[in-house]
Amino acid sequence: NAGVMQNPRHLVRRRGQEARLRCSPMKGHSHVYWYRQLPEEGLKFMVYLQKENIIDESGMPKERFSAEFPKEGPSILRIQQVVRGDSAAYFCASSPAEAGISGANVLTFGAGSRLTVL
Amino acid sequence: GDSVTQMEGPVTLSEEAFLTINCTYTATGYPSLFWYVQYPGEGLQLLLKATKADDKGSNKGFEATYRKETTSFHLEKGSVQVSDSAVYFCALSVDNNNDMRFGAGTRLTVKP
Repeated sequence: NAGVMQNPRHLVRRRGQEARLRCSPMKGHSHVYWYRQLPEEGLKFMVYLQKENIIDESGMPKERFSAEFPKEGPSILRIQQVVRGDSAAYFCASSPAEAGISGANVLTFGAGSRLTVL
Repeated sequence: GDSVTQMEGPVTLSEEAFLTINCTYTATGYPSLFWYVQYPGEGLQLLLKATKADDKGSNKGFEATYRKETTSFHLEKGSVQVSDSAVYFCALSVDNNNDMRFGAGTRLTVKP
């Protein structure tokens, strides 16, 4: 049973280019979460999605960042016109239902996608 | 808003030393509490969790007790090993929220 799959594991972009990060949740999981980890910092929540719906995007920068989780296929985190400050590890996690209900559901994380902006 | 505050690192210990990593939380609801561990180059893995007051989560020799009166969930291990070297994240999730809030992480290095 494959876990949360993220790709690419490493991505290098020049300033102004676009970055697309993909996340396939665990089989049976319908909720996806994206987190950003800046160098030497903790994880910052970005966005929470269910299939075809953005549930909470309170952690997403207002510009250049977008996320989707289509009916078919992986969730995509898209960063347009990247800048050096976007260099970070982007982690995806999934859960079968809302995390926190009865404490029964926890997030399963992928290995992360490390974006480097030159 | 809901948040977690962790003891700042880095923490460096000798093998077999006692470990405590402090974690306190602020939540509007009644949270579930978690510790995640991140080994070098990997994603986060759930280490342990507790869902109600006075619950004790435990795994791999690590323990943490949910203390509602002090809003804390400190991580402890009686005798650390070199293989415990990693970054440890405290986190919470509240029933009426669907995202998990993480602390800044505490880097632990255990020396032989």
